Amino acid sequence: GQQLNQSPQSMFIQEGEDVSMNCTSSSIFNTWLWYKQEPGEGPVLLIALYKAGELTSNGRLTAQFGITRKDSFLNISASIPSDVGIYFCAGTTSGTYKYIFGTGTRLKVLA
Amino acid sequence: DGGITQSPKYLFRKEGQNVTLSCEQNLNHDAMYWYRQDPGQGLRLIYYSQIVNDFQKGDIAEGYSVSREKKESFPLTVTSAQKNPTAFYLCASSISSRIAGPTDTQYFGPGTRLTVL
Repeated sequence: GQQLNQSPQSMFIQEGEDVSMNCTSSSIFNTWLWYKQEPGEGPVLLIALYKAGELTSNGRLTAQFGITRKDSFLNISASIPSDVGIYFCAGTTSGTYKYIFGTGTRLKVLA
Repeated sequence: DGGITQSPKYLFRKEGQNVTLSCEQNLNHDAMYWYRQDPGQGLRLIYYSQIVNDFQKGDIAEGYSVSREKKESFPLTVTSAQKNPTAFYLCASSISSRIAGPTDTQYFGPGTRLTVL
């Protein structure tokens, strides 16, 4: 099945640093979703984006829906140890009922 | 509290046995999904259901079966025909975009880790 290109694959950063990751697709989506997954748990929805160019924040997290509708970006500001986990993007088009997922970005924060 | 529940959290099965994983949601969502996740990998779609009494195969349906007799429930059976069933299984649900318009959002349960001995 199709997967989205997500980069970087992994990141090791110092506490307090900002983090950026992105997702690209060969297809156009009208919804982009960002999730965080901790070991042994299900993904938790962080941010949902529904319009090209949209910029949405959730606390220290900010995500953007790319203007071409083929990409999305997630930024985490002033990282803290509990930000550790795997971040997944997902895209979908209304009415298809199918969500395409990125390969994940594994984030580790060094205190 | 609204959400998705999966049981059990951990499941052990002997080779050659069928096993059924439970998924229940009280979000009043029309659509439900089953995904498989292997270590260090993304999510792969097994089956999905848009409405009661209807379901479609995903990308890796071989060796699995589902039913959707109630809106709230979407159990997954891992059959003995599944060659490599040890994995983390995730159930998800989403509201029908026919109702919500362009606001598709998918929510996940906590997962079931299946180990075949």
